[in-house]
Amino acid sequence: QSELTQPPSASGTPGQRVTISCSGSTSNVGGNTVNWYQHLPGTAPKALIWSTHRRPSGVPDRFSGSKSGTSASLTISGLQSEDEADYYCATWDDSLNGFVFGTGTRVTVL
Amino acid sequence: QVQLEQSGAEVKRPGASLKVSCEASGYTFSDFYIHWVRQAPGQGLEWMGWINPKSGGTNYGQKFQGWVTMTRDTSINTVFLELSRLTSDATGVYYCVRESKAVAGLDYWGQGTLVTVSS
Repeated sequence: QSELTQPPSASGTPGQRVTISCSGSTSNVGGNTVNWYQHLPGTAPKALIWSTHRRPSGVPDRFSGSKSGTSASLTISGLQSEDEADYYCATWDDSLNGFVFGTGTRVTVL
Repeated sequence: QVQLEQSGAEVKRPGASLKVSCEASGYTFSDFYIHWVRQAPGQGLEWMGWINPKSGGTNYGQKFQGWVTMTRDTSINTVFLELSRLTSDATGVYYCVRESKAVAGLDYWGQGTLVTVSS
């Protein structure tokens, strides 16, 4: 079962920009849109980005997504203390006929 | 509003089986696939498989084939995740999640069910 590759950790001070990468292949990231989820301990994951670029209602505009080839990115512009959480990318995998998640990135606000 | 309500935490012995439920409300049950996602202790999110509530068709990830079964009961808008021949590796939090074609992703999540397998 394949996974998407993310850096295990990222950090920044309040107000800084943090970017998280998500690397896959042509059967997943390269051929499909990417979603991003924020996961806080003890809660269900929350959608931050749908269809690579779209923010669900209520998600602050400091969160943005992009994709190039088989890699995608989530950028947090203007990091805030409440952004400290685990972040996962996810996308459809044509070979799997299902979703595949990234390995997860823990964001720490210094 | 869309809600996915899961059954409560379970503690099981190795070798046992269990069934986790996920009751959907606030939308037309048969119109959206339901996926199951697991998080083992200290690990990331892992896709397990999906069920089509309309047809009952399923697809499981390779790691879950043979010991995981997904079913549904359309009369009560509920999907079930049955785990059999449990080992300690099955310990984790299990989420049911709705897939939306409109957003090309998983939009609504259940609250999660903690499954602990221990002798």
